[in-house]
Amino acid sequence: NAGVTQTPKFQVLKTGQSMTLQCAQDMNHEYMSWYRQDPGMGLRLIHYSVGAGITDQGEVPNGYNVSRSTTEDFPLRLLSAAPSQTSVYFCASSYSPSEKLFFGSGTQLSVL
Amino acid sequence: KNEVEQSPQNLTAQEGEFITINCSYSVGISALHWLQQHPGGGIVSLFMLSSGKKKHGRLIATINIQEKHSSLHITASHPRDSAVYICAVRFYGAGSYQLTFGKGTKLSVIP
Repeated sequence: NAGVTQTPKFQVLKTGQSMTLQCAQDMNHEYMSWYRQDPGMGLRLIHYSVGAGITDQGEVPNGYNVSRSTTEDFPLRLLSAAPSQTSVYFCASSYSPSEKLFFGSGTQLSVL
Repeated sequence: KNEVEQSPQNLTAQEGEFITINCSYSVGISALHWLQQHPGGGIVSLFMLSSGKKKHGRLIATINIQEKHSSLHITASHPRDSAVYICAVRFYGAGSYQLTFGKGTKLSVIP
């Protein structure tokens, strides 16, 4: 059982570059979400999805896009990377926000 | 703004001590999660509570809905318990599909 698979683990970008962080789960979870973790800030919600075809913004959505074409996959796209997007990113999934959460292993992103 | 406050921010304990980490929130919730983030960065779910008390091994989580407060207790602490413990809540109302996180409590257990 793979759980939540998040790739890549590390990434360095130059300002203005774009990239996609991948997140996949094999537990048939409807709820998937992306967070960023910054020192002293705690985890903050970027975007979330309650099922295929349904996404919504979280607390800090600017500069990020998501889509949910299948139940399994929930990629996060950085359209034009900025140094302020340097952070650690986590993907998580669950049956609902009131059920046990499963996290990916995280992506450490640096934007130069 | 709905908020989640954790205390203490940092906690150092001697091996074997009983540990309590607290989480308070501002308005009504439908669920509260306790998470553990290992020194290597990975995050695992410890408990999900909507009322009462849950126990798993040496870990006990309680929630008081009226007082808007939850505690995570660790009995007979061990150096392998050293981690950051994070509280996350699902508030009622608008945005109820979102989770709001506390800033975490960093626990260090010394042998």
